[in-house]
Amino acid sequence: SQTIHQWPATLVQPVGSPLSLECTVEGTSNPNLYWYRQAAGRGLQLLFYSVGIGQISSEVPQNLSASRPQDRQFILSSKKLLLSDSGFYLCAWTPLELDNSPLHFGNGTRLTVT
Amino acid sequence: QQQVKQSPQSLIVQKGGISIINCAYENTAFDYFPWYQQFPGKGPALLIAIRPDVSEKKEGRFTISFNKSAKQFSLHIMDSQPGDSATYFCAASNLGLSQGAQKLVFGQGTRLTINP
Repeated sequence: SQTIHQWPATLVQPVGSPLSLECTVEGTSNPNLYWYRQAAGRGLQLLFYSVGIGQISSEVPQNLSASRPQDRQFILSSKKLLLSDSGFYLCAWTPLELDNSPLHFGNGTRLTVT
Repeated sequence: QQQVKQSPQSLIVQKGGISIINCAYENTAFDYFPWYQQFPGKGPALLIAIRPDVSEKKEGRFTISFNKSAKQFSLHIMDSQPGDSATYFCAASNLGLSQGAQKLVFGQGTRLTINP
């Protein structure tokens, strides 16, 4: 069976510090990978998605970047965090062949920028 | 035009009652409408989904009603139970234009509380 791992679960970082959140998927090959951010009262916002190694699409211009160095690894980064980067970050995957397949989410990382 | 508007923001229902959450969209190209359920500290999980070729889909106590002309869809939870207490998100996408990725647009979420 497929599983998605996301870490850390919680993170407190000062303004201006770098960020690296990692997500890995097991039990499948060539998944589509996604990073979402969840802010209170604003639902889930798609930040980045990737359909293959090294292929990153950005949905919202901001202080974050994403990379996919391996087939089942997706990394969310920032060089200098802002207060507005605080939120709940969720990684998700879908099979390469969509066919109405649902998004499978990880358990998220609660990021607080102080 | 990419927005999905969800209401209410929060909802309290007595055990055994019917919970109703509504969503509205503007983009007529959307052709896939899922509902996700999220428990505290967890990622959302797909609950039920509908395509616009049907007006209703039922899975157990959960029903999606879809009104294409009004561009609205809703989630009904029958015989609501305390275990249904969670945050619910509606979403929409155009699978035909997904280009290999499912780019869902989510509503703002509804925090549902079922009182015992």
